[in-house]
Amino acid sequence: QSVLTQPPSASGTPGQRVTISCSGSNSNIGSKTVNWYQQLPGTAPKLLIYSNNQRPSGVPDRFSGSKSGTSASLAISGLQSEDEADYYCATWDDSLHGPVFGGGTKLTVL
Amino acid sequence: EMQLVESGGGLVQPGGSLRLSCAASGFRFSEYWMTWVRQAPGKGLEWVGNINEGGREKHYVDSVKGRFTISRDDAKNSLFLEMNSLRAEDTAVYYCARDVSGGSGTYFYYYGMDVWGQGTTVTVSS
Repeated sequence: QSVLTQPPSASGTPGQRVTISCSGSNSNIGSKTVNWYQQLPGTAPKLLIYSNNQRPSGVPDRFSGSKSGTSASLAISGLQSEDEADYYCATWDDSLHGPVFGGGTKLTVL
Repeated sequence: EMQLVESGGGLVQPGGSLRLSCAASGFRFSEYWMTWVRQAPGKGLEWVGNINEGGREKHYVDSVKGRFTISRDDAKNSLFLEMNSLRAEDTAVYYCARDVSGGSGTYFYYYGMDVWGQGTTVTVSS
């Protein structure tokens, strides 16, 4: 069982806005920044959002992140078929000295 | 172009050993923490361990402590993962990735893993 909790699945139709939640605790999300990764089918993960709401160069502004208390969210607006992928939240864990991941959310574009 | 290329995966019997390599190019390898992440078939991502710039500081997830060793050769821009006493549950795709982090204490920041390799598959089975 993952330290961070994500819904196993989410879905939306093209053009719609969808959000994916990530729930943690005071010892992880509550005190650390959150990163999001996108993993397209059969490929390596890609950093999508870092430091709660920052997008690396090249990531469309359709993707946005937010954090409040012990929860974080990834929002995708103007949903496109190519957004169909697995999405993972992650945050730093001081005791590990490494990141912990959520269990992942499989996004389906209907 | 920044790139990481893993190699060394394969089929190994339980209790066996394997050494994974990760060749880096397109960035100053010696200036970054590096990480190994794995993904079991049909499962999510699991951090395995990391190593700091210079290679003196290493950290591992509990399930691999004492069995896996991370090392690096900055002269050859290479990262390694030595895996011993392999178990069926170590079966996974193993990715190397570049960590973006810095500072210390209150000023520590972690911006995630921004460059990933394509992964190499390790199968532990008799």
